[in-house]
Order: sequence, then structure tokens, then C-alpha cells
Amino acid sequence: AQSVTQLGSHVSVSEGALVLLRCNYSSSVPPYLFWYVQYPNQGLQLLLKYTSAATLVKGINGFEAEFKKSETSFHLTKPSAHMSDAAEYFCAVSDPGANSKLTFGKGITLSVRP
Amino acid sequence: DADVTQTPRNRITKTGKRIMLECSQTKGHDRMYWYRQDPGLGLRLIYYSFDVKDINKGEISDGYSVSRQAQAKFSLSLESAIPNQTALYFCATSGGTSGRPGDNIQYFGAGTRLSVL
Repeated sequence: AQSVTQLGSHVSVSEGALVLLRCNYSSSVPPYLFWYVQYPNQGLQLLLKYTSAATLVKGINGFEAEFKKSETSFHLTKPSAHMSDAAEYFCAVSDPGANSKLTFGKGITLSVRP
Repeated sequence: DADVTQTPRNRITKTGKRIMLECSQTKGHDRMYWYRQDPGLGLRLIYYSFDVKDINKGEISDGYSVSRQAQAKFSLSLESAIPNQTALYFCATSGGTSGRPGDNIQYFGAGTRLSVL
């Protein structure tokens, strides 16, 4: 069985500060990993994905994440937060199989202070 | 137009009523999913379907049923709604059966906010 742990439910940063959202996973097979973002009153949209190629993955809106197998982590970062980054962020894991499903973490709400 | 469309966007109903949430997609994907989102609990899978003849229970299927009317349509029903089914419901799709990495990406609708009084 796979699982995702996102510690904490809320992160607050100042505009221009580093954003770091943590994600740790558990998987019995090499995983595929995803970060999704949910803006208020919207569905989830994909930020970035890791599918066993480069361990440093770049996504939309300046976000990136690094897959670290030894730490079973896939933390999301952005060097400089913008007000428009305020949203809820979900980490998800799946196995590489054709009929795999996603398992989501509980989500982290990011607030950006002016 | 959205690739994954959910109707209605908002619904208020009473305990004991039967309601249906609908999802349609224009992405041509084989696989469709229904999730519910509750504050602090993330997204939990209710049902999923890998093609028109395939329906599978997710982790929280009790009290729900689904129908895959066509490749593009996947409906979720609450046979007798209860207050703890108040939540935000999402439909999602993903494509193909080749096992290519991109096939695991799920695309979400805008959600249906359901309140059961």
C-alpha cells in the first residue's frame, strides 16, 4: 500500500520568501509522485510530476521538487513567493502500473503575507 | 470549455433524498474517478472506472453508487443522503492503458459542493 504524509496543515510565508512544502511517501515499488495545486473554488491542477527520470523536477509557476529516494521525500520549493501562490497544495503518489491509482496527502494551505 | 465538467456546481438537499452528481469529459480518456474532499482529510477515492464495463470501489464507497453511461460520462449517486456526506466532490479523468508516465496524470473538474441538511 502507498501513503503520503504532508506534515502540518498550514504554512505562512512573506512575499518574496522561500516556499518549502514537505512531502514524504511510502511505497513498495518505485513511485510516481505528483504535486497538485487547488486555488479557491477551483479543481486541482497539476504543478509537476516525477516519473523516474530526472530527480529534480521543474513545474509551472516557478515551482520545483526534488525526489530523494534515501529520504523518501518529494518536497516542493519556490525561491520567491508571490501573492498569487496562496492556495492548497496536495502531494500524491502512484505506482507505475497502467491501472494505478493516486493516493493523496491531506494537503497544505499556503498563505502569503504582503 | 472545460475538459472535465461537473454538474451541478452547488447543491443543497435534505436528509433521505436521492441525488445524482454528473461528470462529463471531452479528453477522450478511458479512466474516470470520483473523490470527496473534506477539510483536513485531503481527497478520498469513492469509486473509479477504467473503462465503460469496469467499476471499482474506492476507500469510502459506502452510501454511494456510480454509473458509467459512456466513455465520457460518469455519474455519482447518493441513494439516501445523510449530513456527513456534506463535502466537496470532484470528478477526475486519466488517459490510456499503455503505462506511459503521462497516463497517470489526473485531470480534475471544478467540483460540486454538496450540503445535506
